[in-house]
Amino acid sequence: DQQVKQNSPSLSVQEGRISILNCDYTNSMFDYFLWYKKYPAEGPTFLISISSIKDKNEDGRFTVFLNKSAKHLSLHIVPSQPGDSAVYFCAARGLDSNYQLIWGAGTKLIIKP
Amino acid sequence: EAGVVQSPRYKIIEKKQPVAFWCNPISGHNTLYWYRQNLGQGPELLIRYENEEAVDDSQLPKDRFSAERLKGVDSTLKIQPAELGDSAVYLCASSPRTGVAKNIQYFGAGTRLSVL
Repeated sequence: DQQVKQNSPSLSVQEGRISILNCDYTNSMFDYFLWYKKYPAEGPTFLISISSIKDKNEDGRFTVFLNKSAKHLSLHIVPSQPGDSAVYFCAARGLDSNYQLIWGAGTKLIIKP
Repeated sequence: EAGVVQSPRYKIIEKKQPVAFWCNPISGHNTLYWYRQNLGQGPELLIRYENEEAVDDSQLPKDRFSAERLKGVDSTLKIQPAELGDSAVYLCASSPRTGVAKNIQYFGAGTRLSVL
């Protein structure tokens, strides 16, 4: 029973264009959502987060949108740069699971020059 | 500021052998996590510590896995005996108890375990 789903295993985007990574969740008790980026042979690195009381959070080229009615989260990267090529994980924190983070399976983003 | 340090980076063992992983969290971080990540999946929590107390170990397979954080700083995760299905990357993370960053977990580079 996957509570957090990233349905696209990979995504290829032209450099300079917008990258949109999607994440769906099923548990309405999630109160906080995070995006992490992971390069090969490294641990995940925090990118951006959003509380369930907000619908948008922006940090430079990165914006996260939360649609609670649809239980959908998206990460927008604009403009996309070659260094953005990595695996992106969506994670959600559950009020009903001792604030444990539940992770998606990740989406591999490839930025083409 | 130094990040989360894990060792070893790689470990290859035969099944039924014991193995141990070590983690030193970011200085001042009270909360420490051990995760297991299988290929193509997200991390799965094994255990969470608040200082030296294990506050969530519900997903730790206690028949073969054990962990300790004796002085509330660094931590060790042990598997004895290892099975083929234990092959994975074991990640350690830490977070502060208070402040803006308390909701963020900071990860080490992980230990890649291969059980043959």
